[in-house]
Amino acid sequence: KAGVTQTPRYLIKTRGQQVTLSCSPISGHRSVSWYQQTPGQGLQFLFEYFSETQRNKGNFPGRFSGRQFSNSRSEMNVSTLELGDSALYLCASSSKKIMTVTDTQYFGPGTRLTVL
Amino acid sequence: QKEVEQDPGPLSVPEGAIVSLNCTYSNSAFQYFMWYRQYSRKGPELLMYTYSSGNKEDGRFTAQVDKSSKYISLFIRDSQPSDSATYLCAIPLPGGYQKVTFGTGTKLQVIP
Repeated sequence: KAGVTQTPRYLIKTRGQQVTLSCSPISGHRSVSWYQQTPGQGLQFLFEYFSETQRNKGNFPGRFSGRQFSNSRSEMNVSTLELGDSALYLCASSSKKIMTVTDTQYFGPGTRLTVL
Repeated sequence: QKEVEQDPGPLSVPEGAIVSLNCTYSNSAFQYFMWYRQYSRKGPELLMYTYSSGNKEDGRFTAQVDKSSKYISLFIRDSQPSDSATYLCAIPLPGGYQKVTFGTGTKLQVIP
């Protein structure tokens, strides 16, 4: 079974631009979560989608948005990029509608975004 | 105050050493505690989880929770070079277990 895939793996943008990142979950998984990982703040939860609906949202500004398609693939968008948005963006998928701590989220390898 | 704080490391130990990785958390209502392992250029993978207080053992790994002091630990016995990775403690937040708060991670290097 193929794992979670994320594209692109690396991206360089300049301040003020916008960016769209893509995540394809494991086949059959309907929940997709997005995280931002930086050396100073660690992994921070952005949002989570299930069956095209956003169910949970972290404490990020409105410049960060996402969506999920009917095939469970998800995209996240960051508008008006700032230097501080440079990070590794990870998505994770899981199969259950109601997750418990024992249900594993499978993470993708991430997209490394650099904002110049 | 951050919900979970983690000793930043990095840690460098010789092969065979016992490794101790530690985190503290702020909210006494937290009940589940997880440890993830992240290899370089990979996403995190769930290593272990524990509920409430006490120890949980899985092979060379032991997770420990002390709710009275809000302290969680991961011990690795007989450490191997393949254990070299970043270890993240994590706690699910109210709102669903998909919403997880992570420590900043401790980078471990096991030297052969």
